[in-house]
Amino acid sequence: AQTVTQSQPEMSVQEAETVTLSCTYDTSENNYYLFWYKQPPSRQMILVIRQEAYKQQNATENRFSVNFQKAAKSFSLKISDSQLGDTAMYFCAIYNNDMRFGAGTRLTVKP
Amino acid sequence: ETGVTQSPTHLIKTRGQQVTLRCSSQSGHNTVSWYQQALGQGPQFIFQYYREEENGRGNFPPRFSGLQFPNYSSELNVNALELDDSALYLCASSLWTSGRSSYNEQFFGPGTRLTVL
Repeated sequence: AQTVTQSQPEMSVQEAETVTLSCTYDTSENNYYLFWYKQPPSRQMILVIRQEAYKQQNATENRFSVNFQKAAKSFSLKISDSQLGDTAMYFCAIYNNDMRFGAGTRLTVKP
Repeated sequence: ETGVTQSPTHLIKTRGQQVTLRCSSQSGHNTVSWYQQALGQGPQFIFQYYREEENGRGNFPPRFSGLQFPNYSSELNVNALELDDSALYLCASSLWTSGRSSYNEQFFGPGTRLTVL
């Protein structure tokens, strides 16, 4: 079975600063995908960034980047130049045949 | 391009009743997945439908069932509702074009908030 653990229930960051959200996972598969999703108060899940396990290079999407450590089964999300609109729940997820999510981290960006 | 839509937005039922939730997939998509998100938790995979057949199921009892129609829209049915079924139910659609272990991006709907009293 695949599991995802997010050890930070809540985090806060000042606007324009950088914050890192942690995620660890467990899987016996060698081929899988990892994701960070954002869920604002509107409830709609929005894909932030994805990483294919077979790729060693860390994924980057504008202000969002990941630190993927396959051997350690770690997949953290770094948000640079935080904006007020980044305030949301963030979920780490793993996919291999089906999607498994972590419990989430509530991020608050303070002005 | 029309996104994923779900209906109704909110629903209140009493214990023991049955409920049907609906999902219209994004244009061009052929696969729908359903998730249950309890308050303060991450979504949990219920099942996935591809070409009108169940194509993977999470750890949910048989009273959770579904359908997919020829237009790829989908229904989630829950019988004999329990208090613990209160949750946000999300559906996500994707276009599945190759092997099952490959990933095709899922697009989520806004969810249906179900309250069981």
